[in-house]
Amino acid sequence: AQSVTQLDSQVPVFEEAPVELRCNYSSSVSVYLFWYVQYPNQGLQLLLKYLSGSTLVKGINGFEAEFNKSQTSFHLRKPSVHISDTAEYFCAVSDLVGTASKLTFGTGTRLQVTL
Amino acid sequence: NAGVTQTPKFRILKIGQSMTLQCTQDMNHNYMYWYRQDPGMGLKLIYYSVGAGITDKGEVPNGYNVSRSTTEDFPLRLELAAPSQTSVYFCASSYPGSGGQGLNYGYTFGSGTRLTVV
Repeated sequence: AQSVTQLDSQVPVFEEAPVELRCNYSSSVSVYLFWYVQYPNQGLQLLLKYLSGSTLVKGINGFEAEFNKSQTSFHLRKPSVHISDTAEYFCAVSDLVGTASKLTFGTGTRLQVTL
Repeated sequence: NAGVTQTPKFRILKIGQSMTLQCTQDMNHNYMYWYRQDPGMGLKLIYYSVGAGITDKGEVPNGYNVSRSTTEDFPLRLELAAPSQTSVYFCASSYPGSGGQGLNYGYTFGSGTRLTVV
């Protein structure tokens, strides 16, 4: 069985500061990893994904994440945040066992950007 | 291109009532999913489908039923609503690609249905 742990439920940060949202996963097989963003009262939008290849993955809105197999982590980073980045961020994992690509989500991290 | 459309956006149900949450997608995706989102709990998979006529249970299926008669539609039915079903429900779809590489394209989510059972 696979699982995802997002270590911080809330992360407050000032505008233009860097931010890192932490994600650790557990799985007995190879995994695919994802970060999604959810703006207030909206659905989830894909930020970036790691499937294979380079462990540093770049996504939309200036976000990037690094896959670290030895640490079983997939932390999300942005060098300089903007007010508009205020949202909830979800890390997700899939091991592609079986025929359906089911995602297991973490509990989410609320990023609050202030002036 | 509308993507994934969910209706209604909001609904209040009384205990014991039934209702169907509608989900339709126009991307010809084979895979469709229903998740529920509760505060601090992330998203939990209720049911999923890999194609028309094929459905399977997810992590939290009790109290729900689904059907998949067409590629486009994947309705979720609540037969006897209970307060524990108060939640935000999201439908999603994905394209399987080849060799099971459906997640190359990621999930496309609907905007959600906020359901309150009183």
